[in-house]
Amino acid sequence: TAGITQAPTSQILAAGRSMTLRCTQDMRHNAMYWYRQDLGLGLRLIHYSNTAGTTGKGEVPDGYSVSRANTDDFPLTLASAVPSQTSVYFCASSDSFGDEQFFGPGTRLTVL
Amino acid sequence: AQSVAQPEDQVNVAEGNPLTVKCTYSVSGNPYLFWYVQYPNRGLQFLLKYITGDNLVKGSYGFEAEFNKSQTSFHLKKPSALVSDSALYFCAVRDVGQAGTALIFGKGTTLSVSS
Repeated sequence: TAGITQAPTSQILAAGRSMTLRCTQDMRHNAMYWYRQDLGLGLRLIHYSNTAGTTGKGEVPDGYSVSRANTDDFPLTLASAVPSQTSVYFCASSDSFGDEQFFGPGTRLTVL
Repeated sequence: AQSVAQPEDQVNVAEGNPLTVKCTYSVSGNPYLFWYVQYPNRGLQFLLKYITGDNLVKGSYGFEAEFNKSQTSFHLKKPSALVSDSALYFCAVRDVGQAGTALIFGKGTTLSVSS
């Protein structure tokens, strides 16, 4: 079982360009999440989805959008990247009870 | 607002000695508390959780955590540290607001175990 996969592993992106970070899970979890990790700030929630077809904003949603067309996929899109979006991005999933979240390996994004 | 605090950026301990990584929380209602570990260039891994029941929770890799309601703390402990325990540790509380079952994380504590 793969669990959660994320792509790409890392990316350097020019400011102003758009990009989609991909996340796929094979555990049939209803809930999925996107976090960003920044040194000294821990992990902060960007967007979440409690079930396919629904999404919600987290603590730091500005500049990001998500969609949840099916149970397995939860892509994160940066419409016009800015340097402050340089970070490590983690996708996670959990069942509806949320007792344990499973994390992907992360995408390291650098915006220049 | 709900929050967790990890007062120590770094904890240093010698191999074989007991270790404690501190966490305090602030929630309205009953807390759902978690510990995660992150090894270099990896995603987070679940260690243990407190939902209800015994105040001493046992988890993976010999770790345990003690829930103390009066002190609003959930400290992570291990009786005998290993060099391989060196990693970044996060305390988290479930966000019972609008974000479903999302977690609110502390800023993390780096544990360094020396041989």
